[in-house]
Amino acid sequence: SQTIHQWPATLVQPVGSPLSLECTVEGTSNPNLYWYRQAAGRGLQLLFYSVGIGQISSEVPQNLSASRPQDRQFILSSKKLLLSDSGFYLCAWSASPEAFFGQGTRLTVV
Amino acid sequence: AQKVTQAQTEISVVEKEDVTLDCVYETRDTTYYLFWYKQPPSGELVFLIRRNSFDEQNEISGRYSWNFQKSTSSFNFTITASQVVDSAVYFCALRARDDKIIFGKGTRLHILP
Repeated sequence: SQTIHQWPATLVQPVGSPLSLECTVEGTSNPNLYWYRQAAGRGLQLLFYSVGIGQISSEVPQNLSASRPQDRQFILSSKKLLLSDSGFYLCAWSASPEAFFGQGTRLTVV
Repeated sequence: AQKVTQAQTEISVVEKEDVTLDCVYETRDTTYYLFWYKQPPSGELVFLIRRNSFDEQNEISGRYSWNFQKSTSSFNFTITASQVVDSAVYFCALRARDDKIIFGKGTRLHILP
């Protein structure tokens, strides 16, 4: 069966520090991969999605970037975090119309 | 452009009451998919149901039912005989040809004992 791993679960980072969140999927090939952010008490904002290795579509211009170095690996990065980057980050995969989500990373920028 | 609107930000009902969560969508594509997800306090999103644009048949699963109407671009979700465990944030989402999955802002549902 397919599983998705996302880590870390929680993260506290100082302003200006770099960020790297990793997501990996097992049990499927060539899935679509997604990164979403959920600010406190808000909806889900699509940040990036990828339909294949090296193919990244950005939805919101900001100081975040994404990469897909392997078929089932999706990485969210930042060179310098801002306070506004705080939130709940969710990775998802899809091989059928619906997407399935990881457990999320709660990022607090201080 | 695709858009999903969940006008109800927060709803509170007493246990055993029925409750309907509204979802209105916009897309120019003729082929698309609609979804509902549940987000309990733990934060992980749980997939509940999918509907494709060619299937307007309503669906019932236990206490849950979904009403899809293309004429009004709506995909509403009803919980019958609500229970405290139904308390969560519920999201409606849309996927069209470009593979983006766009979510509404969610409805926070409180079931009061």
